[in-house]
Amino acid sequence: EIVLTQSPATLSLSPGERATLSCRASHSVSSYLAWYQQKPGQAPRLLMYDASNRATGIPARFSGSGSGTDFTLTISSLEPEDFAVYFCQQRSNWPYTFGQGTNLEIK
Amino acid sequence: QVQLAESGGGVVQPGRSLRLSCAASGFTLSSYAMHWVRQAPGKGLEWVAVISYDGSNEYYADSVKGRFTISRDISKNTLFLQMNTLRLEDTAMYYCARGAPDYWGQGTLVTVSS
Repeated sequence: EIVLTQSPATLSLSPGERATLSCRASHSVSSYLAWYQQKPGQAPRLLMYDASNRATGIPARFSGSGSGTDFTLTISSLEPEDFAVYFCQQRSNWPYTFGQGTNLEIK
Repeated sequence: QVQLAESGGGVVQPGRSLRLSCAASGFTLSSYAMHWVRQAPGKGLEWVAVISYDGSNEYYADSVKGRFTISRDISKNTLFLQMNTLRLEDTAMYYCARGAPDYWGQGTLVTVSS
């Protein structure tokens, strides 16, 4: 099973700042990595797929990069609605696995 | 418009069974792999099971293998999760999701409690 480790566990920033979230895989997942955003009481929402492709309707301030074992989700300038929990997920191998999440909170 | 609507959750005693349903609209199940993913209260996401787009393959997390079965009814465009021999640790919100996954339902809550 591929283990995904996200860092940091909690990130405290202010609106307008830049956010950088990390996801590291225990084995290479090529580019088969996705990022999800989850707000309290809601289902996860797909942000990025295949490491660097924005899903439909996702604003351009979200970007993803990386391949192999190291991946980054960047939010260029935080909006109030961006404060949420972010998960990475790999679909390179069964079972699909998720990272433990990064809680992006308002400073 | 893609929509996924889960149902069938509830409170059940350990050792009992429950069947979850996920009604899909806006697309056909026969074109996509479909997943069940769960989230225990206050915890992260755990992938549970997947069925391939043509129904020929199923995969399960080790934690549910032998107890849960994923299936689908193409004529009703509905996905199912049969959960047997439920344990306390199966308590979670259960989501169905399409494809990568890209679209997710809103979830149905399963509580296993004596």
